[in-house]
Amino acid sequence: EADIYQTPRYLVIGTGKKITLECSQTMGHDKMYWYQQDPGMELHLIHYSYGVNSTEKGDLSSESTVSRIRTEHFPLTLESARPSHTSQYLCASSGIMTSGYKYNEQFFGPGTRLTVL
Amino acid sequence: KNQVEQSPQSLIILEGKNCTLQCNYTVSPFSNLRWYKQDTGRGPVSLTIMTFSENTKSNGRYTATLDADTKQSSLHITASQLSDSASYICVVSDRGSTLGRLYFGRGTQLTVWP
Repeated sequence: EADIYQTPRYLVIGTGKKITLECSQTMGHDKMYWYQQDPGMELHLIHYSYGVNSTEKGDLSSESTVSRIRTEHFPLTLESARPSHTSQYLCASSGIMTSGYKYNEQFFGPGTRLTVL
Repeated sequence: KNQVEQSPQSLIILEGKNCTLQCNYTVSPFSNLRWYKQDTGRGPVSLTIMTFSENTKSNGRYTATLDADTKQSSLHITASQLSDSASYICVVSDRGSTLGRLYFGRGTQLTVWP
């Protein structure tokens, strides 16, 4: 099982609140990703990072922001949560040839289920 | 447009039976194809990964096949168990970018009944 962690696992908050979803990995992977997934739908890439101080927006537009100050940590922040942000957020990481894994394989965390009332 | 289509959308089988899930893709240039298992409320876990030169790959009771010419893949589950109940996601990676962009199918929701 991959060493990638997300907290909290479940979060229910009111509209307008600021939230931060935590993601950390202990594999030394350089690349990290955030995906958004609605029930029965495919994963959509919303943010990614090639390494420290690198952040890029993904395919799906998102009002969230990310930061990558340390290799192992990739938090996602929503400044003002809205009901439309209700979804499952999955963090992943990958490292080319850093730990014997080929093909830039991504390892996923358990996800954060966010509900905004 | 790069796409990954899976069928069926959902499937119910009895414990002990076999089943086959299908994946068609249009991703180009193709790098590799992965099958993930995602339990409810959890993140996806990799089952198999294949490049264009690999026709089949097994992981215990899971066997994946790949036909790079027709751009089709299948995942065969043998002697199903209750713990196999999950969503099975087909994911294709392109080699057109340093990121190794992944394209996800919507998954097949498998339910195994006792």
